Amino acid sequence: SYVVTQPPSVSVAPGKTASITCAGNDIVSKSVHWHQQKPGQAPVLVIYYDTDRPSGIPERFSGSNSGNTATLTISRVEAGDEADYYCQVWDSSLGQYVFGTGTKVTVL
Amino acid sequence: QLQLQESGPGLMKPSETLSLTCTVSGDSITNRQFYWGWIRQPPGKGLEWIGSIFHTGSTYYNPSLKTRVTMSVDTSTNQFSLSLSLTSVTAADTAVYYCVRDSHYYDSSGYYLVSDSWGQGTLVTVSS
Repeated sequence: SYVVTQPPSVSVAPGKTASITCAGNDIVSKSVHWHQQKPGQAPVLVIYYDTDRPSGIPERFSGSNSGNTATLTISRVEAGDEADYYCQVWDSSLGQYVFGTGTKVTVL
Repeated sequence: QLQLQESGPGLMKPSETLSLTCTVSGDSITNRQFYWGWIRQPPGKGLEWIGSIFHTGSTYYNPSLKTRVTMSVDTSTNQFSLSLSLTSVTAADTAVYYCVRDSHYYDSSGYYLVSDSWGQGTLVTVSS
């Protein structure tokens, strides 16, 4: 089965940039989505199809996908961005989703 | 405004069959733009996709759960359901179960899905 790996944790100072990676074999050929989950809450979609942002999500959130790594970038990090972030990979050839292991973002 | 609400038993015994229902409001479950899915999260752990269903009954299932899962749609009540045969290991299926809406499109390369809306989740505890 397809395996997707994320770093367990990322720490960032307020106002700086956080980069969260999602690594998988030839992930560029797949569709990558990103979800933010705050404690005790359901996840919220923040980036879809690698780079698109749903309405209501700040422009500070952006995504990219190249080679074997997809990346979620949070610019000008705020305290309210502290959460777990999961990549969700859709493999159209297999017709299945795979979730990354999740990354806890801590704002220092 | 779309709302997804999970309902079902909070406590199950090992080897029983779990049945959960998701009630959709603010959209029609027959909307051709969407699949409807289930995702679960064991306490303190990550997310696991269970499966997604179209209103016609077409499904995608997680291969690791496929033998234990059945999903269905009831267009008359605007609901969709999950049936999961529980294992004999209590911790394996204890989780928060979320229902989701999967937006999709199709092109010459195939079908593409994204979970764009989530229910609040319901905790299911499996204990003998």
